[in-house]
Amino acid sequence: AQRVTQPEKLLSVFKGAPVELKCNYSYSGSPELFWYVQYSRQRLQLLLRHISRESIKGFTADLNKGETSFHLKKPFAQEEDSAMYYCAPLENQAGTALIFGKGTTLSVSS
Amino acid sequence: GAVVSQHPSWVICKSGTSVKIECRSLDFQATTMFWYRQFPKQSLMLMATSNEGSKATYEQGVEKDKFLINHASLTLSTLTVTSAHPEDSSFYICSVPGQGTFGEQYFGPGTRLTVT
Repeated sequence: AQRVTQPEKLLSVFKGAPVELKCNYSYSGSPELFWYVQYSRQRLQLLLRHISRESIKGFTADLNKGETSFHLKKPFAQEEDSAMYYCAPLENQAGTALIFGKGTTLSVSS
Repeated sequence: GAVVSQHPSWVICKSGTSVKIECRSLDFQATTMFWYRQFPKQSLMLMATSNEGSKATYEQGVEKDKFLINHASLTLSTLTVTSAHPEDSSFYICSVPGQGTFGEQYFGPGTRLTVT
């Protein structure tokens, strides 16, 4: 069965510390991978997608097909990064629903 | 990115009544929209895929007679929670697939339903 695992429910770090939010997937084939973020009282929004290999707000994510992982990283966390982060693989592109991991709450304190 | 609106943003209803939630794609036409449900401090769970011009596709365990979906036009999908009960209280979120091939989706702000 298709599955997305975000093992950490809560990740608390101090400002300036490195951050890694883990995501492992179990999908047949080669899914496309996304990270979405939900800030407090805001709608869910796309943070980054693997296919575009971009860095958004200092976050990057590397796809490791051998480990079937797509961990989200940032070298220096900021307080405004505090939010809920969801990993979402997409098996088939355009028009297919996203299936989300359980999410990780990132709390960055000063 | 696309703009997706939902109406109402929050609603309180009495047990046994029905509530309709609208999802609109404001920037482009969408033949497909998705409905999710989110309980407090939990992830989004896909409920159904709304298809313009045809019946919605429901995920396993979602009662299609309870959660009626109507994709009335290429920019509007509605979710009606029929005979609502307190356990239906949740945050309902819709999304619209992007027009590109990257597979990204655009989410509405959500509707908070409270059934008393």
